[in-house]
Amino acid sequence: RKEVEQDPGPFNVPEGATVAFNCTYSNSASQSFFWYRQDCRKEPKLLMSVYSSGNEDGRFTAQLNRASQYISLLIRDSKLSDSATYLCVVNPGTYKYIFGTGTRLKVLA
Amino acid sequence: DGGITQSPKYLFRKEGQNVTLSCEQNLNHDAMYWYRQDPGQGLRLIYYSQIVNDFQKGDIAEGYSVSREKKESFPLTVTSAQKNPTAFYLCASSKQVNTGELFFGEGSRLTVL
Repeated sequence: RKEVEQDPGPFNVPEGATVAFNCTYSNSASQSFFWYRQDCRKEPKLLMSVYSSGNEDGRFTAQLNRASQYISLLIRDSKLSDSATYLCVVNPGTYKYIFGTGTRLKVLA
Repeated sequence: DGGITQSPKYLFRKEGQNVTLSCEQNLNHDAMYWYRQDPGQGLRLIYYSQIVNDFQKGDIAEGYSVSREKKESFPLTVTSAQKNPTAFYLCASSKQVNTGELFFGEGSRLTVL
């Protein structure tokens, strides 16, 4: 089993739709969780950290479910500019940040 | 503005040549990392450094070397021993080695001809 798993997609959604991605992780001792956004041939950029109580930043909501060992990202009112690959990143409290392979989102006009 | 600068952005190398990728940060971060990204794969850790004059191998260190003589700088050398060096190389930093988010440079795309 991979340490961090994501559905590669692509998720093709119309503008204005709500879309959600999940990411599962295998190490129950994991302590820090992040969602990054990566545009084609560019570097990953932090979208949001994921806190135990869940957190929201504008149209984006992140949740953590420790019991089932997954994190989620919800995007409301999708924009064309949201089209990108979304990377799940988990840190078990060591030097090692573990990256998922990413979920590709295409928002269609 | 604080950030991480990588150079060059694009690099072409002939087989058998060593190349060095530069990474400089002005975020005053202690920890720095080098990752490799291949199509359809997650980022894989090559080397990391917690502090000046210290660095450790990551998951795929074979064929690579690094140095950390200054806090701001963490160059990566791709040696001729690296069998499949064509990839997108990303340098990152964090405040400390196991806390906080990673900040990335813009990446260096290496192609071996």
